[in-house]
Amino acid sequence: DVKVTQSSRYLVKRTGEKVFLECVQDMDHENMFWYRQDPGLGLRLIYFSYDVKMKEKGDIPEGYSVSREKKERFSLILESASTNQTSMYLCASRILGGSSYNEQFFGPGTRLTVL
Amino acid sequence: AQTVTQSQPEMSVQEAETVTLSCTYDTSESDYYLFWYKQPPSRQMILVIRQEAYKQQNATENRFSVNFQKAAKSFSLKISDSQLGDAAMYFCAYRGNNNDMRFGAGTRLTVKP
Repeated sequence: DVKVTQSSRYLVKRTGEKVFLECVQDMDHENMFWYRQDPGLGLRLIYFSYDVKMKEKGDIPEGYSVSREKKERFSLILESASTNQTSMYLCASRILGGSSYNEQFFGPGTRLTVL
Repeated sequence: AQTVTQSQPEMSVQEAETVTLSCTYDTSESDYYLFWYKQPPSRQMILVIRQEAYKQQNATENRFSVNFQKAAKSFSLKISDSQLGDAAMYFCAYRGNNNDMRFGAGTRLTVKP
């Protein structure tokens, strides 16, 4: 079974702190994604990566950056956390190639609170 | 850009009954893929069912089935014989040619014993 893990289930940070959210997948998937989930808004794509050292902006990249130094790991970075970044963050991975039919596998999520 | 709309923020169903969750989408593409994901409380999101737009036959997975109406751009999920474990947030999602996945706002399903 594909396993996507995230470093923390719950995280509390203060405004202005630098925050790292880590995601690791164990199925050699090329594609990895970071979403934020907010009530009434569903999932919105922050950044994605097609492969190692590659990254593309999603719909809401402002205030975030990412790092993909190894294939299995995709990190989301909040350079200076703000209260409006309080949210649930979901990581996902997907195999490249073949049909777009391919399923995205999700991590358990990190609920981040910025005080 | 493609949009996905789930017009029912909350739904409830009696155990063993049938419930239908609605989803509509907006696109100018002819080839695309549609998905329903389930997010149980405090648990990981998992794929429930998927549909390729070029297939006319509606997808079915055990108690879960879809009603795919391409012309109407509608993709509803039917859950038959509802069980307590079906209680979750359900997200409809669209993937087109650019491979981005677009999600609806979600429908919270409650199952009453």
